[in-house]
Amino acid sequence: GAGVSQSPRYKVAKRGQDVALRCDPISGHVSLFWYQQALGQGPEFLTYFQNEAQLDKSGLPSDRFFAERPEGSVSTLKIQRTQQEDSAVYLCASSWDRGPYEQYFGPGTRLTVT
Amino acid sequence: GENVGLHLPTLSVQEGDNSIINCAYSNSASDYFIWYKQESGKGPQFIIDIRSNMDKRQGQRVTVLLNKTVKHLSLQIAATQPGDSAVYFCAESHGSSNTGKLIFGQGTTLQVKP
Repeated sequence: GAGVSQSPRYKVAKRGQDVALRCDPISGHVSLFWYQQALGQGPEFLTYFQNEAQLDKSGLPSDRFFAERPEGSVSTLKIQRTQQEDSAVYLCASSWDRGPYEQYFGPGTRLTVT
Repeated sequence: GENVGLHLPTLSVQEGDNSIINCAYSNSASDYFIWYKQESGKGPQFIIDIRSNMDKRQGQRVTVLLNKTVKHLSLQIAATQPGDSAVYFCAESHGSSNTGKLIFGQGTTLQVKP
């Protein structure tokens, strides 16, 4: 069956450019998470959606990071005025319900800021 | 083979041996724990999970043990195969967060020698 998909898989941006990363979760999944994974590290939580509501954005590193999920399915993570420290893999995960359950991860988008 | 602490990043085992990957978690309020396997260039893949009302759970070739007294989690892989080579992450979730967001450890690299 279809899993979580993300696009693009790779993105190179010049410092100062804006980028948009897309996540297509598993159909019907209520919960959607974004994580950031630096090289050699575990994923770190960025933000959480329950359907279209963004209930937790405590992990977003700055106000340059913005996420939305307007219809409760596809989500977009936008980074404005990218900086070199934003270089990382951005992972999207979805879960069938709210609360702690198994999360299914997409392949990630590798962002390189030059 | 076994890694003896959170700060040992690599575990090397012979094909066919059993592997034990250890993880210390930080929050005594965590009530959900999960193990993921991540291969190079891919997103984390679910292996097995356990809730705090259990101390052991078994899957296919894998067993997770939870010791809440010392806040310790371990993943046992029986008859390790070359395809098991990957980075393994433990993660915890705090029930009070109500979002199910996962807090990941640093990861252990498992190398299986043929």
